[in-house]
Amino acid sequence: RKEVEQDPGPFNVPEGATVAFNCTYSNSASQSFFWYRQDCRKEPKLLMSVYSSGNEDGRFTAQLNRASQYISLLIRDSKLSDSATYLCVVNSGGSYIPTFGRGTSLIVHP
Amino acid sequence: GAVVSQHPSRVICKSGTSVKIECRSLDFQATTMFWYRQFPKQSLMLMATSNEGSKATYEQGVEKDKFLINHASLTLSTLTVTSAHPEDSSFYICSADLAPNTEAFFGQGTRLTVV
Repeated sequence: RKEVEQDPGPFNVPEGATVAFNCTYSNSASQSFFWYRQDCRKEPKLLMSVYSSGNEDGRFTAQLNRASQYISLLIRDSKLSDSATYLCVVNSGGSYIPTFGRGTSLIVHP
Repeated sequence: GAVVSQHPSRVICKSGTSVKIECRSLDFQATTMFWYRQFPKQSLMLMATSNEGSKATYEQGVEKDKFLINHASLTLSTLTVTSAHPEDSSFYICSADLAPNTEAFFGQGTRLTVV
């Protein structure tokens, strides 16, 4: 079983739609969690950290479920510019090496 | 946020030659940097952890003699792809964090094409 798993998609949604991604992780000792966005042929950029109590940043909401070992990202009112690959990142273990999921591709169409 | 600069952004080289990629932390010191490789439509795969002043830690399946890592200062790590082959063509990205267990900051990436 991979350490961090994501549905690769693609998720193809119209503008204005709400879309949610999940990411599961295998290491119960994982310490910190992030969502990154990666545009084609570019480096990943931090979208938001994921806190235990859940957190929101504008149209984006991230949640953590430690019991079931998954994190989620909800995007409301999708924009064309939201089209990208969303990477789930989990820091685990004493060395805190970031481990990436394979990414979920989102395509927002007019 | 912190800035990590990677150079070059794109390189084309002939088979059998070596290519050096630099990763610099511009406004902070990084005792640890990470090197990743990403093939098209694939995830970022960790190649090695670069430690300032000591040997890098390589992931299973990554040849340390082929991918030479040097982290001689707190702001610079280099990855040298030696005797490059076409199958080494990929997107190489470095990252560093301000402190353990915090967000990672990425370099711009290097697209290597071996012909």
